[in-house]
Amino acid sequence: GENVEQHPSTLSVQEGDSAVIKCTYSDSASNYFPWYKQELGKGPQLIIDIRSNVGEKKDQRIAVTLNKTAKHFSLHITETQPEDSAVYFCAARRAGGTSYGKLTFGQGTILTVHP
Amino acid sequence: DAGVIQSPRHEVTEMGQEVTLRCKPISGHNSLFWYRQTMMRGLELLIYFNNNVPIDDSGMPEDRFSAKMPNASFSTLKIQPSEPRDSAVYFCASSLIGRTNTGELFFGEGSRLTVL
Repeated sequence: GENVEQHPSTLSVQEGDSAVIKCTYSDSASNYFPWYKQELGKGPQLIIDIRSNVGEKKDQRIAVTLNKTAKHFSLHITETQPEDSAVYFCAARRAGGTSYGKLTFGQGTILTVHP
Repeated sequence: DAGVIQSPRHEVTEMGQEVTLRCKPISGHNSLFWYRQTMMRGLELLIYFNNNVPIDDSGMPEDRFSAKMPNASFSTLKIQPSEPRDSAVYFCASSLIGRTNTGELFFGEGSRLTVL
């Protein structure tokens, strides 16, 4: 099955700096890569996603890049703010078959943005 | 829409007791997922349903765990008998999976289970 590795496990930055979180996946049939943000006491919430036919996607201060050949993808947050502090999860999903719909998550990154 | 609704939010029980967690997915969604979150193992998929039918239950730890989805608006995850190692936050998520959408998962706020 799919295996998703996420690094780093913790990340501490100063407000205004950039933050980068990286993930690798094992299943070359995976074609959908979402990122979720989880705030304390809440469930994860989708913040951005990318499909395998696209190399980069941007939404205001967040962007995701995908390298299919190397099987890795990254989340970039620019101009970080204290409210960006949360746990971030990457995930991967393959295109079809009986696993369709099944997301495999990375282990999570605890991001702390210091004012 | 109220989002995915889970109950109870917190449950403390003693080893050996039966635990039932409940989930109401978002209306119109055709897929429902049960995840377990722990510090050691992260977010693990336990089981997921499509159109009320279990599709993949390979993540269910053992026979003590069972899940049902009797209709499109309700699902339960049952643990009987419960053990201390079952202590975790259990999330339910729902999604509309089809050809023209990404199948974004919408998570509930979770049920925190503590087994003493």
